[in-house]
Amino acid sequence: AQTVTQSQPEMSVQEAETVTLSCTYDTSESDYYLFWYKQPPSRQMILVIRQEAYKQQNATENRFSVNFQKAAKSFSLKISDSQLGDAAMYFCAYRSDPAGGTSYGKLTFGQGTILTVHP
Amino acid sequence: GAGVSQSPSNKVTEKGKDVELRCDPISGHTALYWYRQSLGQGLEFLIYFQGNSAPDKSGLPSDRFSAERTGGSVSTLTIQRTQQEDSAVYLCASSLRTANTEAFFGQGTRLTVV
Repeated sequence: AQTVTQSQPEMSVQEAETVTLSCTYDTSESDYYLFWYKQPPSRQMILVIRQEAYKQQNATENRFSVNFQKAAKSFSLKISDSQLGDAAMYFCAYRSDPAGGTSYGKLTFGQGTILTVHP
Repeated sequence: GAGVSQSPSNKVTEKGKDVELRCDPISGHTALYWYRQSLGQGLEFLIYFQGNSAPDKSGLPSDRFSAERTGGSVSTLTIQRTQQEDSAVYLCASSLRTANTEAFFGQGTRLTVV
């Protein structure tokens, strides 16, 4: 079974600064997807960024980028130019390749990191 | 609808009562998932529906939990004889069954068992 670990229960950053959230995972699969989700107080999970394991290039979405180290099974999220609206709980998640069997689609989540942004 | 809709938004129930939580997925999404989020914790997988296939119930914590999906659309999660440890936010998500697809989440139902 896959596991996802987020070792930072809480992080804080000053507005306009950069912060990196850590995530490690364990799997025996070679094809999979990794995600970062944001959960604001409204509770709705919002996809921030995703990475396909077969892609060596790190995914980037505007101010959000990842450092994907497949051999080390590490998937960190970097938020640049942090904004007050970035404050939320962030979850790292793993998903098997959709073609890989009956477990596809099911997300395995880490415990989350609460990000506070100071003005 | 435009997104995944869950009802009720909040539910307070007495210990021992049964509750039903509803999820209305995005139209056309064949995959539907239920997750449970206990206070300050990550999301725990409960059950997964995909089209007409048998659901993956491997995450249901006890036989007090059950779920159904009627007509491949709306899903109901039922918790019988609720216990205080059932208090949590129950999140529903739906997606297409294609590679590189995104799961869209509802806003969840906060269940409080008193």
